[in-house]
Amino acid sequence: DAGVIQSPRHEVTEMGQEVTLRCKPISGHNSLFWYRQTMMRGLELLIYFNNNVPIDDSGMPEDRFSAKMPNASFSTLKIQPSEPRDSAVYFCASSTTGLSIEQYFGPGTRLTVT
Amino acid sequence: AQSVAQPEDQVNVAEGNPLTVKCTYSVSGNPYLFWYVQYPNRGLQFLLKYITGDNLVKGSYGFEAEFNKSQTSFHLKKPSALVSDSALYFCAVRDGRQTGANNLFFGTGTRLTVIP
Repeated sequence: DAGVIQSPRHEVTEMGQEVTLRCKPISGHNSLFWYRQTMMRGLELLIYFNNNVPIDDSGMPEDRFSAKMPNASFSTLKIQPSEPRDSAVYFCASSTTGLSIEQYFGPGTRLTVT
Repeated sequence: AQSVAQPEDQVNVAEGNPLTVKCTYSVSGNPYLFWYVQYPNRGLQFLLKYITGDNLVKGSYGFEAEFNKSQTSFHLKKPSALVSDSALYFCAVRDGRQTGANNLFFGTGTRLTVIP
């Protein structure tokens, strides 16, 4: 049974370039979460979706960040233009709905912006 | 508001000794509590959760956690530490009064190092 799939696993780009991170949630899960992890700030929730609808994007750092979920099996996180301070590991997680339900995390995308 | 505190950034323990990673929480309603582990260059993996019932919860890899309502704590424990337990551990909480939202609130993480 495939878990959460993220691509690419590593991304190195130059400042100013557009970056797109991709996520495929576990089949049957209707909640999807995007997190960012850095040494300085730890694990931060950026945005999450229920049934493909964005519920809370208050964690998105600024307008350069955008996320979409066009269908139940795919989501993207886009940074345009990218900056060196965006360098981090970006995780996608999915779950079914319910207070007692845990989230399942993907392996992450390590983004380096030079 | 809901929050989680992991008071120790780093915990060191000798192999074979018992380990404890501390977590305290703050919620308005009943808490739903979770522990996750992150190995180097990997995503977070679910270890165990407390929903209701028995205060001692058993999870993966021999870990267990004890829910203490009066102390608002949910400490992670293992009777005998292994070198392979060295990782970053996250506590997370969800408020039972939370409606329409499915997100978890994570602590800042505790790095566990088991010394051979």
